[in-house]
Amino acid sequence: GDSVTQTEGLVTLTEGLPVMLNCTYQTIYSNPFLFWYVQHLNESPRLLLKSFTDNKRTEHQGFHATLHKSSSSFHLQKSSAQLSDSALYYCALSEDFAGNKLTFGIGTRVLVRP
Amino acid sequence: EAAVTQSPRNKVAVTGGKVTLSCNQTNNHNNMYWYRQDTGHGLRLIHYSYGAGSTEKGDIPDGYKASRPSQENFSLILELATPSQTSVYFCASGDATGLHDTQYFGPGTRLLVL
Repeated sequence: GDSVTQTEGLVTLTEGLPVMLNCTYQTIYSNPFLFWYVQHLNESPRLLLKSFTDNKRTEHQGFHATLHKSSSSFHLQKSSAQLSDSALYYCALSEDFAGNKLTFGIGTRVLVRP
Repeated sequence: EAAVTQSPRNKVAVTGGKVTLSCNQTNNHNNMYWYRQDTGHGLRLIHYSYGAGSTEKGDIPDGYKASRPSQENFSLILELATPSQTSVYFCASGDATGLHDTQYFGPGTRLLVL
């Protein structure tokens, strides 16, 4: 079946520094759809950004990610972390455009310190 | 803004007891989902539904049943609750047409099985 791997369980960084969260995936589908969801403390997950186009940068709220099918990766990046970016980030995979029946990674917790 | 509500928000149950978690959405979405969230496992799909009267098994359906009596409501039923089912449960809805390809999550239900 499909799987999503997030290698970092916890990322701690200082405000203003860049952040990159790793996401790789395995799927039998040639046209997967990849998503990043963010969950702040005591809130529910919400969509941050998504992509299904190979080698095209997708941006939202200062974050960006590029789907690379050659390496099965969809890493999330931000050039300058803010305190409000402290949250749990999930990479997810779907086989169809509607984003339904998602397969999630285990999540990466980001802690941004002053 | 899409609206998904869950009840109860917190529940303490005894081992062997029956637990019903309820979810209501006012988005008129066809698809609804139940996930559980556990540290080290991320979000895992339990059951999902494509519309009223339909239920499908997700990735971890054992020990759970689901019921979709209407477009708006989707319940998760634990007939014989066990301590291993202690978790945070999220309901989500999603549009199957692809025009609004986002899953909207409810606020979650914290379940403790003693």
